[in-house]
Amino acid sequence: AQSVAQPEDQVNVAEGNPLTVKCTYSVSGNPYLFWYVQYPNRGLQFLLKYITGDNLVKGSYGFEAEFNKSQTSFHLKKPSALVSDSALYFCAVRDDTGRRALTFGSGTRLQVQP
Amino acid sequence: EAQVTQNPRYLITVTGKKLTVTCSQNMNHEYMSWYRQDPGLGLRQIYYSMNVEVTDKGDVPEGYKVSRKEKRNFPLILESPSPNQTSLYFCASSLSTGSSNQPQHFGDGTRLSIL
Repeated sequence: AQSVAQPEDQVNVAEGNPLTVKCTYSVSGNPYLFWYVQYPNRGLQFLLKYITGDNLVKGSYGFEAEFNKSQTSFHLKKPSALVSDSALYFCAVRDDTGRRALTFGSGTRLQVQP
Repeated sequence: EAQVTQNPRYLITVTGKKLTVTCSQNMNHEYMSWYRQDPGLGLRQIYYSMNVEVTDKGDVPEGYKVSRKEKRNFPLILESPSPNQTSLYFCASSLSTGSSNQPQHFGDGTRLSIL
């Protein structure tokens, strides 16, 4: 079985400050990890993914994520938050053993205050 | 423009009245999937399809049916809707190149209310 945990329902940060949205995962094989963002009344948009290689992955809108195998984590980060980053963020995992379903976390709402 | 289109966007209906939510993608993607989103639970997969005429159950398939007669379309059918199927539904598609590392493209969602 595979699972994803996003331990924070909401993260509040001031504009210009760095942000971190946490994600830990569990899979039986090697993980393929994804971050998606959801704006109000819209579907999910792909931000970035980790498949293999460098542990630091860079994605859209200045976001990046760090893969840590020993801690089974894939935290989303951004050096300087914008008010427009306020949205719902989902971490997702899929293993490489042949099961193709993507398992999502419960989501973290990011609120960036001006 | 590359997109996944769902219809309707909103629907209020009554228990037991069959309904279909359509999903169409214009990216020639092999893989398509349906999810439901409920507060505190994230997205849970209902059904998915690896290609035409190939469908399989996800994590929460009970009460739903799907079909994949054409590559671009993947309708979700609720034969006898019940109130516990009130939810926000998303269709998604992706390339399927033998690996599972392709990001999915999502539609804008369909909000179903079953009274």
